[in-house]
Amino acid sequence: GENVEQHPSTLSVQEGDSAVIKCTYSDSASNYFPWYKQELGKGPQLIIDIRSNVGEKKDQRIAVTLNKTAKHFSLHITETQPEDSAVYFCAASMYNNNDMRFGAGTRLTVKP
Amino acid sequence: DVKVTQSSRYLVKRTGEKVFLECVQDMDHENMFWYRQDPGLGLRLIYFSYDVKMKEKGDIPEGYSVSREKKERFSLILESASTNQTSMYLCASSLQGNAYNEQFFGPGTRLTVL
Repeated sequence: GENVEQHPSTLSVQEGDSAVIKCTYSDSASNYFPWYKQELGKGPQLIIDIRSNVGEKKDQRIAVTLNKTAKHFSLHITETQPEDSAVYFCAASMYNNNDMRFGAGTRLTVKP
Repeated sequence: DVKVTQSSRYLVKRTGEKVFLECVQDMDHENMFWYRQDPGLGLRLIYFSYDVKMKEKGDIPEGYSVSREKKERFSLILESASTNQTSMYLCASSLQGNAYNEQFFGPGTRLTVL
């Protein structure tokens, strides 16, 4: 089955700096890669996703890149703000497959 | 907005007790999921259901069972709680026809088994 690895487990950046979180997956059949943000006391919430037919997707300060050959994908947050502090999870799944596999999570701290 | 609610935010139970965790979603989603969240392990799927009375085992079903009698409600049952089931439990739901499987999560129930 699919296995998703996520690094780093913790990340601390200064406000205004960029943050990058990386994930690798094992099953080449996976074609959907969402990123979830979990704020304190809340459930994870989808912030961006990418499908295997594109290599990059951007939404304001957040971007995700996908390298299908190497089987890895990354989340990039630019101009970080204190409200970006949260736990971020990457995930991978196949089309119409409800078996979504999550990474272990990255705790991002943005220092003002 | 999709809303997924869980019956309790915090729960303390004793070893051997039978524990019920309830989840309700209000968006008519066919799929519902129960995950367990532990530090360093991410979210691990316990069970999911794609229709009323239907269920599928996830990665860690041992010690758990589920019930889905109505479309909007999905219950997780710990038949005899043990200390190693102390964890955060997250419920999620998604549309059957949502090909890219976005899942909507509840706020979680932090369960402590003494």
